[in-house]
Amino acid sequence: DGGITQSPKYLFRKEGQNVTLSCEQNLNHDAMYWYRQDPGQGLRLIYYSQIVNDFQKGDIAEGYSVSREKKESFPLTVTSAQKNPTAFYLCASSPLRGASYNEQFFGPGTRLTVL
Amino acid sequence: AQSVTQLDSHVSVSEGTPVLLRCNYSSSYSPSLFWYVQHPNKGLQLLLKYTSAATLVKGINGFEAEFKKSETSFHLTKPSAHMSDAAEYFCATPSGGGADGLTFGKGTHLIIQP
Repeated sequence: DGGITQSPKYLFRKEGQNVTLSCEQNLNHDAMYWYRQDPGQGLRLIYYSQIVNDFQKGDIAEGYSVSREKKESFPLTVTSAQKNPTAFYLCASSPLRGASYNEQFFGPGTRLTVL
Repeated sequence: AQSVTQLDSHVSVSEGTPVLLRCNYSSSYSPSLFWYVQHPNKGLQLLLKYTSAATLVKGINGFEAEFKKSETSFHLTKPSAHMSDAAEYFCATPSGGGADGLTFGKGTHLIIQP
């Protein structure tokens, strides 16, 4: 059953802590993305990666970090430098060629709450 | 840079009546355009996409959208609303060249009245 998995579904963090959100895909897609969703804001791009061991900042990368050591995995770390991390985080993947080029496939999301 | 604007933050229709969700785009060329749907606390699901093959695009669950270059619009329609259509809908377009991610509109919350 192909798709994108994100874990955990809900995550609670104390102020000053780093937390890591998991994203795994078995669609054999080259590109992976992290978006942040806030009410009434739509989705905003945090980081993206088109190839293993390479990634680029999106529109709101400050306070976040990523790694891409495997094609299937693109974890996002929310650091203590992120001033307002409470949000819904969505991971997506996309093929870089073929009929679905530029089409993004989304995971179920992780809701992060800072206590 | 490409962008999209969703003209309504909320749309309310009665069950069985037509649905119209509006999206305008800004681009210097004919862009790719997408409509996604999101049910509460879920990820996004692709409804349909325009990639310049045909101006009228049919999607899943009875939705369709028409690309109108003269109006820079890509409005989403459905002839008859169902209660299960209640959700958040997003219009999106590629941010730039290659695979740099999508730029999303702020979303339209569709409410279905019984």
